[in-house]
Amino acid sequence: SAVISQKPSRDICQRGTSLTIQCQVDSQVTMMFWYRQQPGQSLTLIATANQGSEATYESGFVIDKFPISRPNLTFSTLTVSNMSPEDSSIYLCSSGAVKRDEQFFGPGTRLTVL
Amino acid sequence: AQSVSQHNHHVILSEAASLELGCNYSYGGTVNLFWYVQYPGQHLQLLLKYFSGDPLVKGIKGFEAEFIKSKFSFNLRKPSVQWSDTAEYFCAVKPQTGGYNKLIFGAGTRLAVHP
Repeated sequence: SAVISQKPSRDICQRGTSLTIQCQVDSQVTMMFWYRQQPGQSLTLIATANQGSEATYESGFVIDKFPISRPNLTFSTLTVSNMSPEDSSIYLCSSGAVKRDEQFFGPGTRLTVL
Repeated sequence: AQSVSQHNHHVILSEAASLELGCNYSYGGTVNLFWYVQYPGQHLQLLLKYFSGDPLVKGIKGFEAEFIKSKFSFNLRKPSVQWSDTAEYFCAVKPQTGGYNKLIFGAGTRLAVHP
């Protein structure tokens, strides 16, 4: 299994600012994903972070709001831009291997926007 | 669109009681099925998975789940729960055919086990 770490673990931000969340995996992985878990709701996939190319976004999520980088096979960042209180959520990084079809999750970043 | 339904949002049990958490999905093709667990203050962990073969799968900590294809269900069971099973449980489905092959999560079931 992969061990995933995220930074920061939590943050409180002001409306209109941006926050970049970092995700580090302890081994090279094919797939990296970013999810959002809003209070009382399930996990929603934001995008798939592709190494060496633009991220693939799910319906309802756009690159301008959630720019993603993936410079190598072990690291990715998600930026939450121009934040509003509606962005308050837990953001989770996940990685997986296509062959094993399993995904592992980071501890999450708890974001509160005032 | 594909979806995953978990019937109970909150379940409260006493220790030693039996547990069954329902999960149904809406997708007609082949799927891989998962149950994840999130203990308080911890990250999401894989509890068990089903890809093919015996529809009754066993996971960690005495949990098992049964895939019933005709009912599009993948219910999670444990014969006797412990206080340490207090957690949130998520069912997830990953279509293997068609255009969308990403994990789709249910809304989660929050289980509280009282001593």
